[in-house]
Amino acid sequence: AQRVTQPEKLLSVFKGAPVELKCNYSYSGSPELFWYVQYSRQRLQLLLRHISRESIKGFTADLNKGETSFHLKKPFAQEEDSAMYYCALSLSLGANNLFFGTGTRLTVIP
Amino acid sequence: NAGVTQTPKFQVLKTGQSMTLQCAQDMNHEYMSWYRQDPGMGLRLIHYSVGAGITDQGEVPNGYNVSRSTTEDFPLRLLSAAPSQTSVYFCASSWDRGTYEQYFGPGTRLTVT
Repeated sequence: AQRVTQPEKLLSVFKGAPVELKCNYSYSGSPELFWYVQYSRQRLQLLLRHISRESIKGFTADLNKGETSFHLKKPFAQEEDSAMYYCALSLSLGANNLFFGTGTRLTVIP
Repeated sequence: NAGVTQTPKFQVLKTGQSMTLQCAQDMNHEYMSWYRQDPGMGLRLIHYSVGAGITDQGEVPNGYNVSRSTTEDFPLRLLSAAPSQTSVYFCASSWDRGTYEQYFGPGTRLTVT
């Protein structure tokens, strides 16, 4: 069965340091992958999606099918990046179900 | 635009009681969904709808009913509340299928005693 794993519940980095939030998935097909973010007192919102291959707020994520990973990276963390980050998987583009990981709380230390 | 709204924000129920969680969106989105979030777990899909009059089950549908009589509203009904339904419930919508950008509501925190 499909599964999304985010191994770190908590991650702390200093401002200006690189940050990597890990996401691994298990699915034998060709999934679509997403990162959602929830800032303090805000709603859960889409950060970026694999299919768009875009960089949002300095974050990028590369789908590695060999390692079944979709890690989120940013070269220089900012205090405003502190938030809860969720990796999500869809079995295909246009599928109706998103499978979420358990989330990683990122804290950027000034 | 208000986006996706949910009421109530908080609710306490006794075991066996029924209630409806309300969800509305003003973005004319066809797709709407309900998720629950439990400690240590990711969001899990309960039910979804791809348009007025069309609903289907998600990953954890037992104990919940939904209907979609209008594009704007997608209420979630708990038929007979159980302590296992204590959770935070999120409603979301998107203009088409679930994998397009989903817009989430603020959540409803439900406690069943």
